[in-house]
Amino acid sequence: EPEVTQTPSHQVTQMGQEVILRCVPISNHLYFYWYRQILGQKVEFLVSFYNNEISEKSEIFDDQFSVERPDGSNFTLKIRSTKLEDSAMYFCASSTGDTQYFGPGTRLTVL
Amino acid sequence: AQSVTQLDSQVPVFEEAPVELRCNYSSSVSVYLFWYVQYPNQGLQLLLKYLSGSTLVKGINGFEAEFNKSQTSFHLRKPSVHISDTAEYFCAVSDRGDYKLSFGAGTTVTVRA
Repeated sequence: EPEVTQTPSHQVTQMGQEVILRCVPISNHLYFYWYRQILGQKVEFLVSFYNNEISEKSEIFDDQFSVERPDGSNFTLKIRSTKLEDSAMYFCASSTGDTQYFGPGTRLTVL
Repeated sequence: AQSVTQLDSQVPVFEEAPVELRCNYSSSVSVYLFWYVQYPNQGLQLLLKYLSGSTLVKGINGFEAEFNKSQTSFHLRKPSVHISDTAEYFCAVSDRGDYKLSFGAGTTVTVRA
């Protein structure tokens, strides 16, 4: 069964550093998403991506964040200058429309 | 955006007993409804979904859920749980035509022998 994969599973970084989180969506999916879950809080929507552009983003997704589909298979989330409060589990998801399938997540720890 | 409430943060239950996890959402506009499960140290796995049609939907691992439009609810049930059902369960909602998901806070189910 095809699945969404994410790398790395765990990323530790220093405050102010740039990080790139990577996702490989399910191959025939057209919609891509990033969500995050801060420890003890709800899973929150960050951004959706369709047809090589952002279709919707939340208030959380400020200028520090960017997404890219660099090669037709990978889907990346970049955080330019990490803050302590960016520490969270980041989930990638993909869909053909109504139903999203999630990856296992990347745990980002900002020190 | 939808607001999703999971009324129980923790549900302890004995093996082979039934369980019900409650979920309510804020808006009565046309919605898609989902339950996801997160096993320890794993990602979010789709348990079941309601898109249209029959209000009683069946999912994997013997779970089912019932959509109640008038009560804006989508409660999850299983008649007999196993130890392996110990996990966190998330209710999620999207408005039709807007695919982003709004999640509830999650319900931790702990099944004891």
